Amino acid sequence: AQSVAQPEDQVNVAEGNPLTVKCTYSVSGNPYLFWYVQYPNRGLQFLLKYITGDNLVKGSYGFEAEFNKSQTSFHLKKPSALVSDSALYFCAVRDAGGATNKLIFGTGTLLAVQP
Amino acid sequence: NAGVTQTPKFRVLKTGQSMTLLCAQDMNHEYMYWYRQDPGMGLRLIHYSVGEGTTAKGEVPDGYNVSRLKKQNFLLGLESAAPSQTSVYFCASSYGGFSYEQYFGPGTRLTVT
Repeated sequence: AQSVAQPEDQVNVAEGNPLTVKCTYSVSGNPYLFWYVQYPNRGLQFLLKYITGDNLVKGSYGFEAEFNKSQTSFHLKKPSALVSDSALYFCAVRDAGGATNKLIFGTGTLLAVQP
Repeated sequence: NAGVTQTPKFRVLKTGQSMTLLCAQDMNHEYMYWYRQDPGMGLRLIHYSVGEGTTAKGEVPDGYNVSRLKKQNFLLGLESAAPSQTSVYFCASSYGGFSYEQYFGPGTRLTVT
């Protein structure tokens, strides 16, 4: 069965500092991995995805994520946080070879960037 | 382009009442999805559609029905609402299947009393 975990309910970081939002996954085959962001009272917005290829994936708004197969992780990173980055972040995974045709979302991590 | 739109934005129902949530997309996407979002549980897939005239069950389909009579519209119905269906409902669409990025609507906040 496929699953995804976001071990931190909330991450606090000062503006200008680097940020990391953690995600680990479990699939039986190769993973398709996604990050989405949700601003208050809005729907989710796609940030980036990993399908295959380079382990470092660059996405929208200066975010990037690193795929680590051995640690089954896909952590979201940004070199310098902005107050406007404060939002709820969701990691999602799909098993590329699995029989289950769906995307599993994590429970979300609230990122709070202090000025 | 409006992207993905949902109506209504808010609704309060009494237990046992019925309602339909409408989702529309103008991106000519084949796939459409209905999710519910509950605190501490992330998003869970209710039903989805791989094209006009098709529907399929997701993770939590019980108590809901869907229809996709037109490619651009995906309707979610609650025949007899229950308090456990209090949630925020999101519609999404994508060009292809679950390997493609999904575009989400703004959500419908439903309260069942």
